[in-house]
Amino acid sequence: QKEVEQNSGPLSVPEGAIASLNCTYSDRGSQSFFWYRQYSGKSPELIMSIYSNGDKEDGRFTAQLNKASQYVSLLIRDSQPSDSATYLCAVLNQAGTALIFGKGTTLSVSS
Amino acid sequence: DAGVTQSPTHLIKTRGQQVTLRCSPKSGHDTVSWYQQALGQGPQFIFQYYEEEERQRGNFPDRFSGHQFPNYSSELNVNALLLGDSALYLCASSRTGGWSYEQYFGPGTRLTVT
Repeated sequence: QKEVEQNSGPLSVPEGAIASLNCTYSDRGSQSFFWYRQYSGKSPELIMSIYSNGDKEDGRFTAQLNKASQYVSLLIRDSQPSDSATYLCAVLNQAGTALIFGKGTTLSVSS
Repeated sequence: DAGVTQSPTHLIKTRGQQVTLRCSPKSGHDTVSWYQQALGQGPQFIFQYYEEEERQRGNFPDRFSGHQFPNYSSELNVNALLLGDSALYLCASSRTGGWSYEQYFGPGTRLTVT
């Protein structure tokens, strides 16, 4: 059974701080990784995709991938109250069809 | 540019009934995947449709079936509803053959089985 693990949180950070969200996965052959943000009562929104080892930056978001350690992370710089949500880590299966999700980490940013 | 759309938004059904959920993919996308999200859990893959065929199926019983139409829209059917089928049903669209494997979700259908 392929698994994706995340700390459920809640992760609480003050406004303006860096939030660090982590994810590990079990399938060593995985090649595609995604972070989704989900506000309460809403559907997941894609915020980052990463396919190669290293860092990928998009605005205040940085995704980090280490395939050797089977580890993906998401950094949110200058955190805002509007970033308060559940962040879902997803790994694409080797067939390139199904996303396998973690249970999500709840982030709370206090003003 | 219209995103992924789903209907209906909410649905209440009784145990044993059947339900049909609908999804239209994002413009330019030809592949539709369905996911079930229970409260407090991440989405779970039900199946994916491409070229009107079921390409892959997750660990869901045969009560869950689907269809894709020539215009790429899709339906999810669930027969003999159980209380445990109560969940948020999400449709995700993507494009097969491109360099990106990104899947974009619709707003979801909240199904309550009583």
